[in-house]
Amino acid sequence: RKEVEQDPGPFNVPEGATVAFNCTYSNSASQSFFWYRQDCRKEPKLLMSVYSSGNEDGRFTAQLNRASQYISLLIRDSKLSDSATYLCVVRGPGGGADGLTFGKGTHLIIQP
Amino acid sequence: DADVTQTPRNRITKTGKRIMLECSQTKGHDRMYWYRQDPGLGLRLIYYSFDVKDINKGEISDGYSVSRQAQAKFSLSLESAIPNQTALYFCATRGGESYEQYFGPGTRLTVT
Repeated sequence: RKEVEQDPGPFNVPEGATVAFNCTYSNSASQSFFWYRQDCRKEPKLLMSVYSSGNEDGRFTAQLNRASQYISLLIRDSKLSDSATYLCVVRGPGGGADGLTFGKGTHLIIQP
Repeated sequence: DADVTQTPRNRITKTGKRIMLECSQTKGHDRMYWYRQDPGLGLRLIYYSFDVKDINKGEISDGYSVSRQAQAKFSLSLESAIPNQTALYFCATRGGESYEQYFGPGTRLTVT
């Protein structure tokens, strides 16, 4: 089983809709979780950290489900500018430097 | 000005050539990283450094070497480039207690 798995998509979503995608992780000892956003041919940038109690930043909501070992990202009222690849990042034992393992990303396309 | 810069941004080179990719940062971070990104494979860690005297191999270090010339500079070398090293290369930094990594704009390398 891969350490961090994401549906690669693409998710094609009409502007204004709500979209959600998940990321599953295999190591139950994982400690921290993050969502990064990467625009085409650009560098990844941190979108938000994921806290145990869940957290919201404007139209974006991130949640953690430790029992089922997944994190989720929900985007409400999607905008054309939300089109990007969303990378799930998990920190825990067995990861790379700093224990980080990057998912391969979910590609989101918001359509007008 | 960007906090993390990479030079060159694009490079085409021939098999067997030696090439150096450079990364500089003005964030004052101790930790620096080199990743490569390939379609369908996501980000993979090549080398990382936690300070000037500390160099560590990542997941895919074969065929690469690095030099940490100063806190602000971390260079990646391909001693004898081969076509399967064609990829997008990112440098990243991290500082303090946060696990957020700040990525440079990337170098697109093509080995023919």
